[in-house]
Amino acid sequence: ETGVTQTPRHLVMGMTNKKSLKCEQHLGHNAMYWYKQSAKKPLELMFVYNFKEQTENNSVPSRFSPECPNSSHLFLHLHTLQPEDSALYLCASSPDASETQYFGPGTRLLVL
Amino acid sequence: GQNIDQPTEMTATEGAIVQINCTYQTSGFNGLFWYQQHAGEAPTFLSYNVLDGLEEKGRFSSFLSRSKGYSYLLLKELQMKDSASYLCACPQTGANNLFFGTGTRLTVIP
Repeated sequence: ETGVTQTPRHLVMGMTNKKSLKCEQHLGHNAMYWYKQSAKKPLELMFVYNFKEQTENNSVPSRFSPECPNSSHLFLHLHTLQPEDSALYLCASSPDASETQYFGPGTRLLVL
Repeated sequence: GQNIDQPTEMTATEGAIVQINCTYQTSGFNGLFWYQQHAGEAPTFLSYNVLDGLEEKGRFSSFLSRSKGYSYLLLKELQMKDSASYLCACPQTGANNLFFGTGTRLTVIP
């Protein structure tokens, strides 16, 4: 149990679907992150929230939309995705930004 | 810019010792992290070095040399369960984030 949970663990969606990924941390951390991990590539940062405010957005396409309603919850809303968006999506949290990050189990996404 | 280099793959024998190297280039240094990631699972934190020298934690040790921009992770008494990817990461300069290397996939063989 890492203290960071993600749902769903697996998701298959069509290119016209709309879905959301959910992340919840029970560690009292102030910073939360979304990463994308594709095969044989390094972890790619997508979004960073620090004290519920978005502080980083690494040129992510608008078909990915983050939401951070409070410091414990983070969502990633998906719409009109492409097959190349198929990957493992990892959520992480840390006490403050740039400190040790603790990862959730990830959502394995397949876009058909 | 920022850059992290690690070997892509390594193989070692059960019971042996293996050293996984990481070199980094960054305009400002604020520590170096090592993470372990088993296939299909999330990365888990192993160590954090901010000062030069060796930090030992059970079978795993991590070394840092800031002047050389170099770190290594040392795994002793290798076990089959140590087969995983090992990720080197540095806080990204001027950003609230960690910058990860591509990881080193370690295979432990009997």
